[in-house]
Amino acid sequence: GAVVSQHPSRVICKSGTSVKIECRSLDFQATTMFWYRQFPKKSLMLMATSNEGSKATYEQGVEKDKFLINHASLTLSTLTVTSAHPEDSSFYICSARDSQIRVRANTEAFFGQGTRLTVV
Amino acid sequence: LAKTTQPISMDSYEGQEVNITCSHNNIATNDYITWYQQFPSQGPRFIIQGYKTKVTNEVASLFIPADRKSSTLSLPRVSLSDTAVYYCLAATQGGKLIFGQGTELSVKP
Repeated sequence: GAVVSQHPSRVICKSGTSVKIECRSLDFQATTMFWYRQFPKKSLMLMATSNEGSKATYEQGVEKDKFLINHASLTLSTLTVTSAHPEDSSFYICSARDSQIRVRANTEAFFGQGTRLTVV
Repeated sequence: LAKTTQPISMDSYEGQEVNITCSHNNIATNDYITWYQQFPSQGPRFIIQGYKTKVTNEVASLFIPADRKSSTLSLPRVSLSDTAVYYCLAATQGGKLIFGQGTELSVKP
């Protein structure tokens, strides 16, 4: 089946540094990918929609300068957490749908395994 | 996107059938109902999707009444490994998947 891979799966960084998380669709092309964050015992919160070749669309309340998204190819989107602070520590998850299938509401979305970010 | 409401938690025992009901009163005509399963520290995994009536696959069944304002995920004969959070979503074409609070299912021996 289709696979979405995230890297790294875990990362620890110092406060004030930036961290890049990669999301790859391994066997399909995705013109659109989605980035979520999840706090412990909470649901997934959609942060932004990553669009190949154009600017990402951010959900209300999500700082675009804080969470930089780049979708440079049909199989790769990256999320960069800039000037990370301890409150950015969270579980970040991406998802994608196969864009070569005409996008319908019943097109399955595939999720990456997630990235655990800890800012110290 | 239709807002979904589910029980926060459910308990069950191994071998029992578990039914999780989700309400989506303002579901739109184009919305499909999709259920995902999530284990701790993993991304969600697709379980089943439907538009109306009944859908069955190798792991679950999904029952959707004619008015489509609710849906029920049925897990037959659960095992300990089915302990997870289950999310019900209503998604429109090409659209974003917005997650509700989910149902934390605990299966006991």
